[in-house]
Amino acid sequence: NAGVTQTPKFQVLKTGQSMTLQCAQDMNHEYMSWYRQDPGMGLRLIHYSVGAGITDQGEVPNGYNVSRSTTEDFPLRLLSAAPSQTSVYFCASSYSSGNPDYGYTFGSGTRLTVV
Amino acid sequence: DAKTTQPNSMESNEEEPVHLPCNHSTISGTDYIHWYRQLPSQGPEYVIHGLTSNVNNRMASLAIAEDRKSSTLILHRATLRDAAVYYCILRLGFGNEKLTFGTGTRLTIIP
Repeated sequence: NAGVTQTPKFQVLKTGQSMTLQCAQDMNHEYMSWYRQDPGMGLRLIHYSVGAGITDQGEVPNGYNVSRSTTEDFPLRLLSAAPSQTSVYFCASSYSSGNPDYGYTFGSGTRLTVV
Repeated sequence: DAKTTQPNSMESNEEEPVHLPCNHSTISGTDYIHWYRQLPSQGPEYVIHGLTSNVNNRMASLAIAEDRKSSTLILHRATLRDAAVYYCILRLGFGNEKLTFGTGTRLTIIP
């Protein structure tokens, strides 16, 4: 049981490049989400999914796309990277979407630098 | 969204209990109180959560005030490994998908 796995752990991109951050969970969790964390700030929600085929925007969705074709995977796509997207990205999952009686499991993060 | 207020930082001696406070005066009846911690260079880690009653698990205890306007995370015997940023978060009622993180309390453990 690996929990939430994020790849890569580190990435440097040039402005305008595209890439996909991978997130996979093996806990059969219904809910998955992406957060970003900037220095000295709390985590902010980018996008989330309540099940395969269902996604929705969080508080900072601009510049990011997501899809959820399987229960296990929830990739985050940067279509045209900008320096403002330099951040640490965390993927999180939960057994039941919208049920506050369950905790979240977080991945170890992807540190992205856009130059 | 209901907000939480935590001290920016706290210090505690190793092997002593630590009480981390959180105020949430605008909490509603269906909001759960969650605590997470984030060790340096790691993702947040779930610690404990509760609704009305005090809760215990292998990591910590959660004491919730009778009016639910505040709560306290209790680490019974702090170790150096407990040095982290601790986040008190209100997980809103059923159907709300967002965890709102504040800036948390940075806990320093003194050997």
